[in-house]
Amino acid sequence: AQSVAQPEDQVNVAEGNPLTVKCTYSVSGNPYLFWYVQYPNRGLQFLLKYITGDNLVKGSYGFEAEFNKSQTSFHLKKPSALVSDSALYFCAVRDTGANNLFFGTGTRLTVIP
Amino acid sequence: EPEVTQTPSHQVTQMGQEVILRCVPISNHLYFYWYRQILGQKVEFLVSFYNNEISEKSEIFDDQFSVERPDGSNFTLKIRSTKLEDSAMYFCASRDTLSNQPQHFGDGTRLSIL
Repeated sequence: AQSVAQPEDQVNVAEGNPLTVKCTYSVSGNPYLFWYVQYPNRGLQFLLKYITGDNLVKGSYGFEAEFNKSQTSFHLKKPSALVSDSALYFCAVRDTGANNLFFGTGTRLTVIP
Repeated sequence: EPEVTQTPSHQVTQMGQEVILRCVPISNHLYFYWYRQILGQKVEFLVSFYNNEISEKSEIFDDQFSVERPDGSNFTLKIRSTKLEDSAMYFCASRDTLSNQPQHFGDGTRLSIL
């Protein structure tokens, strides 16, 4: 069974400060992990993925995420937040034997000018 | 950059009526998906489709739902006899054949059942 936890419904950060959006997961096999961002009235935009290899993956708009197998985490990070980063962020997992994505409940990021 | 397109952007339907939501996946993608997001809740998987047949479906995807690829470009979700609780955003997604590729999502159709 797959599950994803995003423990924070809301994250507020000042513009220019580093941001972290947390995600932990549970799968029976090896995970494929993804981050998506959703702006108002839009669909989900792919940010980055972890499949295998380097634990630190870099994605769009300066975002990166670190895969930590022992902690079953895949936190999203950015060194310097922009006001335009304010959006809803979803972590998702796909078990290697499955075809569909299983999403977390989402974290609303607000970057304060 | 190629996109997944969905029509209509908003559909209002009377309870008990049938509704068809339409999607045009990215042209060279072969895996197709429907997800839904009830207001304020998380995105939930409905169904995946490959090689002209359903490959996986969730518990939500009961006999009320069906999917079809009627031609080489469209992928549709039909909901028969809609219920109030079917009100949600419905997202279509598509993926390349390589298993490590991400799914790309459309902007969704907001379905409102009255």
